[in-house]
Amino acid sequence: GAGVSQTPSNKVTEKGKYVELRCDPISGHTALYWYRQSLGQGPEFLIYFQGTGAADDSGLPNDRFFAVRPEGSVSTLKIQRTERGDSAVYLCASSLIGGGGTEAFFGQGTRLTVV
Amino acid sequence: AQSVTQPDIHITVSEGASLELRCNYSYGATPYLFWYVQSPGQGLQLLLKYFSGDTLVQGIKGFEAEFKRSQSSFNLRKPSVHWSDAAEYFCAVGAVSGGGADGLTFGKGTHLIIQP
Repeated sequence: GAGVSQTPSNKVTEKGKYVELRCDPISGHTALYWYRQSLGQGPEFLIYFQGTGAADDSGLPNDRFFAVRPEGSVSTLKIQRTERGDSAVYLCASSLIGGGGTEAFFGQGTRLTVV
Repeated sequence: AQSVTQPDIHITVSEGASLELRCNYSYGATPYLFWYVQSPGQGLQLLLKYFSGDTLVQGIKGFEAEFKRSQSSFNLRKPSVHWSDAAEYFCAVGAVSGGGADGLTFGKGTHLIIQP
């Protein structure tokens, strides 16, 4: 597709449930990033993939959060035993190559609400 | 670790007036600097970026920003705002690391309101 696609756009789940959020990056982009944006805050870095491997997962808040990118394209962010504090917009971005200086293109995000 | 401060949570500007949004960063060397805009229901869109060279950078939609190393600042400016500029603006810093493994660090954003 032309841009980064994230599905679903909205997800409401009950506390304690498991959720998966999907990101389709721009075709050919080797780098993929996940961010979390809480209300009134800027996006917060979670994890960065270069190809299939997680090059930097230092932003994942705890072991309930996990992300994969098995074929170096689509990525899934997985959250186990969801908590109300996980409610946020989860943003995905991709760039042609990785690194702090490369231009990242963002999707519109998945708004996760844990009730 | 790097950090970004956007001191103004909200700014109100009259349509046609000039605009300056402030951004200060903390980083041990010259970082990569970005300004993004986020409109309701839209994804983050890159306005401009600074990597090196000329400290005054031009972006899309008539925006520009100036990197001032001595002040650790990267303020965003526009000479004449339009009602369509109303949005949330984020300054971000990217680490200049050899491994290229760092994501962006964002400020908390400045909400721009345009008065008719």
